[in-house]
Amino acid sequence: EAQVTQNPRYLITVTGKKLTVTCSQNMNHEYMSWYRQDPGLGLRQIYYSMNVEVTDKGDVPEGYKVSRKEKRNFPLILESPSPNQTSLYFCASSLRRQGLNEQFFGPGTRLTVL
Amino acid sequence: AQSVAQPEDQVNVAEGNPLTVKCTYSVSGNPYLFWYVQYPNRGLQFLLKYITGDNLVKGSYGFEAEFNKSQTSFHLKKPSALVSDSALYFCAVSSREYGNKLVFGAGTILRVKS
Repeated sequence: EAQVTQNPRYLITVTGKKLTVTCSQNMNHEYMSWYRQDPGLGLRQIYYSMNVEVTDKGDVPEGYKVSRKEKRNFPLILESPSPNQTSLYFCASSLRRQGLNEQFFGPGTRLTVL
Repeated sequence: AQSVAQPEDQVNVAEGNPLTVKCTYSVSGNPYLFWYVQYPNRGLQFLLKYITGDNLVKGSYGFEAEFNKSQTSFHLKKPSALVSDSALYFCAVSSREYGNKLVFGAGTILRVKS
């Protein structure tokens, strides 16, 4: 089954404790993105990747890191989480350019930073 | 910069009645427009897109949207609403001038009552 998987689905952590949210897709897509969803703000892009070893900042990259060492994986790293990073996070992938093509979204990761 | 406005936080409609979820956009250049739907505790799912061509676009689950360049709108419509259509709907826009980055609206909750 074609899908985007994220882990964990739910995470409660404390300020400053490094964490990684994994994302994997099995569709051989070139483009992958991370978004955060906050009430009243819709989805905002954190980082995106156009291919292996190619990443770029989205609209809200502060406090986040990403890497793309393999085509299928695109982990999101929070080196020192803060309460304002409490949010619902989505990973997405698309065959090619995200602005032209349908994106496939993962199920989401609900993160709470205390 | 490009932007999307979904002027209604919530739309209520009776089952069997037609529904409209509104979206207006602002871009420089030609827009690429998308609608996504999010069911509770799920990731976003692609409904339809407009890139070029016919202004009326048909998508999944009986939904359609009409691109209106003069009014800079891309309203989502369905002739007969189902209770199962109740969800959160997002409009999104990109453009070549903005590097094909996708910008989402804040979302509109659709409630269909039986």
